[in-house]
Amino acid sequence: DVKVTQSSRYLVKRTGEKVFLECVQDMDHENMFWYRQDPGLGLRLIYFSYDVKMKEKGDIPEGYSVSREKKERFSLILESASTNQTSMYLCASSLTAYRDRTGELFFGEGSRLTVL
Amino acid sequence: GNSVTQMEGPVTLSEEAFLTINCTYTATGYPSLFWYVQYPGEGLQLLLKATKADDKGSNKGFEATYRKETTSFHLEKGSVQVSDSAVYFCALRGEYGNKLVFGAGTILRVKS
Repeated sequence: DVKVTQSSRYLVKRTGEKVFLECVQDMDHENMFWYRQDPGLGLRLIYFSYDVKMKEKGDIPEGYSVSREKKERFSLILESASTNQTSMYLCASSLTAYRDRTGELFFGEGSRLTVL
Repeated sequence: GNSVTQMEGPVTLSEEAFLTINCTYTATGYPSLFWYVQYPGEGLQLLLKATKADDKGSNKGFEATYRKETTSFHLEKGSVQVSDSAVYFCALRGEYGNKLVFGAGTILRVKS
């Protein structure tokens, strides 16, 4: 069965801390994504990666960075957490367009981050 | 750029009522269209999809038809259940892209 696993379901951090959110997929997908979900705003794309060591900024990359050293793992990094980064973070993966024209995304269960 | 607009919620219905959640989109070419559902405490999961005009996606009693002439992909279900209570997201992927663009989501609450 298709699986995207996020390392932490709930995290509480303090302002200024460095935060790592990890995501692993076992489907040999080329594409991986980090979204942020906030009420009334839907899902907003932070970063995505279409290959190992490749990344592109999404709609709201400020304050975030990412790392993809292996195909199955995509990490989201908050260099210095701030209270306005309190949110639900969703990781997703998909096959690249030439392998799956529909582009279906598979999601993890989410990581709820609270920054105090 | 590509965008998705869906009706605001929350939508509150009684069990066995008819459901429609409107979704319209803006995109060039022929995007793929999706409905995702998020049950409480969970991530998003694909509910249904359609990849070309006039396609009808269906799953678990839900249906949506890809209407290019009205740029719409409305979600319908003939008789909702309490277990359908969730957040529903309409999304599209551009014809040549890898990214999905999501609507704001619509909360559905079904009362017994």
